[in-house]
Amino acid sequence: GAVVSQHPSRVICKSGTSVKIECRSLDFQATTMFWYRQFPKKSLMLMATSNEGSKATYEQGVEKDKFLINHASLTLSTLTVTSAHPEDSSFYICSARLPWDKTNYGYTFGSGTRLTVV
Amino acid sequence: DQQVKQNSPSLSVQEGRISILNCDYTNSMFDYFLWYKKYPAEGPTFLISISSIKDKNEDGRFTVFLNKSAKHLSLHIVPSQPGDSAVYFCAATLGNMEYGNKLVFGAGTILRVKS
Repeated sequence: GAVVSQHPSRVICKSGTSVKIECRSLDFQATTMFWYRQFPKKSLMLMATSNEGSKATYEQGVEKDKFLINHASLTLSTLTVTSAHPEDSSFYICSARLPWDKTNYGYTFGSGTRLTVV
Repeated sequence: DQQVKQNSPSLSVQEGRISILNCDYTNSMFDYFLWYKKYPAEGPTFLISISSIKDKNEDGRFTVFLNKSAKHLSLHIVPSQPGDSAVYFCAATLGNMEYGNKLVFGAGTILRVKS
């Protein structure tokens, strides 16, 4: 259980186009999802926290107009990279909090999306 | 400001021996710590965690030690197996609604277990 499906796993797009990444919780309702970005040999950097039915909370330095996050349902959150540029090339990972976890610190992660902007 | 630090980018260990991965943090308000394992092009998978009110948590071959006064934690894997070769991330959070239970990750340590 507690599977988060992230799609696509790999995408190559042209500079200036937009790319949408989906993250679905398959067997539970995820009221809170997180979006991370990982640069090569670097840590996972939190980009934003998305709460179902409300606006996402972006971390300092993350352009909310460039990285559009939508969490319209309890099982789906999307990240759209708008007007992508080569510097947006990265590995993007979503994560969802497990609502039943008694510690309140249970998270499950998607398998990630490798974005390459050419 | 990097609040969670993993100062060793890589570690190489012989199969059967102990692997010790270290993590330091600067925010004394963190009250929960987690270790994740990650393979290339995959998302992290949860390994083990520890609350700040404890100093040790054990699960099979994995043990996490927490030294609050030193703001230091370590993950011990014994015995190490070739399948343990991966990137290990230390993460911290604090149970504060305002903080939103966000995880702060270290930069990761690449573990290579040689057979």
